[in-house]
Formats: sequence, structure tokens, C-alpha cells
Amino acid sequence: NAGVTQTPKFQVLKTGQSMTLQCAQDMNHEYMSWYRQDPGMGLRLIHYSVGAGITDQGEVPNGYNVSRSTTEDFPLRLLSAAPSQTSVYFCASSYGQGGSGYTFGSGTRLTVV
Amino acid sequence: GIQVEQSPPDLILQEGANSTLRCNFSDSVNNLQWFHQNPWGQLINLFYIPSGTKQNGRLSATTVATERYSLLYISSSQTTDSGVYFCARKHGNKLVFGAGTILRVKS
Repeated sequence: NAGVTQTPKFQVLKTGQSMTLQCAQDMNHEYMSWYRQDPGMGLRLIHYSVGAGITDQGEVPNGYNVSRSTTEDFPLRLLSAAPSQTSVYFCASSYGQGGSGYTFGSGTRLTVV
Repeated sequence: GIQVEQSPPDLILQEGANSTLRCNFSDSVNNLQWFHQNPWGQLINLFYIPSGTKQNGRLSATTVATERYSLLYISSSQTTDSGVYFCARKHGNKLVFGAGTILRVKS
């Protein structure tokens, strides 16, 4: 049972490049979400999904896109990377909408130069 | 907006000491969780505790929803307890996190 799997673990991008951070879970969780973690600011919600085909914006959605074509996968796309997007990104999933059983992936450390 | 405030912001303990971390929230909640982020960055769900008290080994948590706070108790602390402790509350479809308490346990 892998839980929540994020790839890649590390990435360096140049300003203006695009990329996709992958997130997959094998627990049949309905709810999935993406957070970014910056020093002194805790975790801030970027986008979330309450089920396949349904996504919504979180606290800091600008510059990011998501889609949820299957229950298992919830990729995060950076459209045109900016230095302000340098951060650690976490994907999470849970049974209900932000409910119990909240499980995080191991994170992706992204640097935009 | 919804506020989740944690205190203290950081804490240094000698191994074996006990500690209490606090989480205050700005309005009533029906969903409160505690997480631990270890020094390698991994986030682990410690407790789902909308109300009452739960215990898991040396850790326990209490939420008093009517008074808008939750407490995380760490007894007989160990160096492996070091890291950042976050509380988070549900707001609509979202989980809103506090800024965290950084805990360092010295041997």
C-alpha cells in the first residue's frame, strides 16, 4: 500500500518554463488537495478536488492548474514558472472533504531560477 | 477570515520533559486535526479530534470546541519528537492550517 505518491522529489526550473507535479493515491480517497509550504507561513492550499471531474481553488491558486480525470490522480501544473513559486509542494488525500485519514505525500522541492 | 493560531511558535525541551502545544481558532469547529512534520519533511496525521480527548502512546490531544481551542500534550519527550507540529481545521471543503510550533528536543 503506497499511500500518496508524489513525483518528482526535486526539480529546478527556469523562469517561464512549465511543468507538472504528479500525485497519485491508492486508497480510493475522494478528496485530494495540493499545498505549498513556505518558511514561516505553514501550509497554504492551492487547489483541491472532492472527486473525479470536480476541482476548486484554494487560498493561493494563481499560476497553477489542476485536473482530476480519475479518482487516483491529481496533477498540479505550473503554467509559466516564476521565482515566487519556489517552494515545497505537498499533495494530500482523505476519505471525506478534509476529514479524517488525511494522508500527505513526501513532497516536491521546487526551485525556480 | 478563518484564523488558526498556534502557540508557542517555537519550543526547546530537554529529553524527558513534558510540553503542551495550543491551537486557538476563531470560530466553532467540527473538525480539528494535529499533524507532525519530522525534520525530513514528512507530514504525519497524529489526531483527528473534533471534540473530547484522545491518546496515542505519549501523545494526547484535547479539543474544547465550545471554547475554540485544542491542546496537544507530549509527555516524556524524545529527540524523535522534534519537528513542526501543525493544527488544522476544516472550513467548508478546505483544511486550514496554523503556522505551526517548531519543537526541538535536546538529548
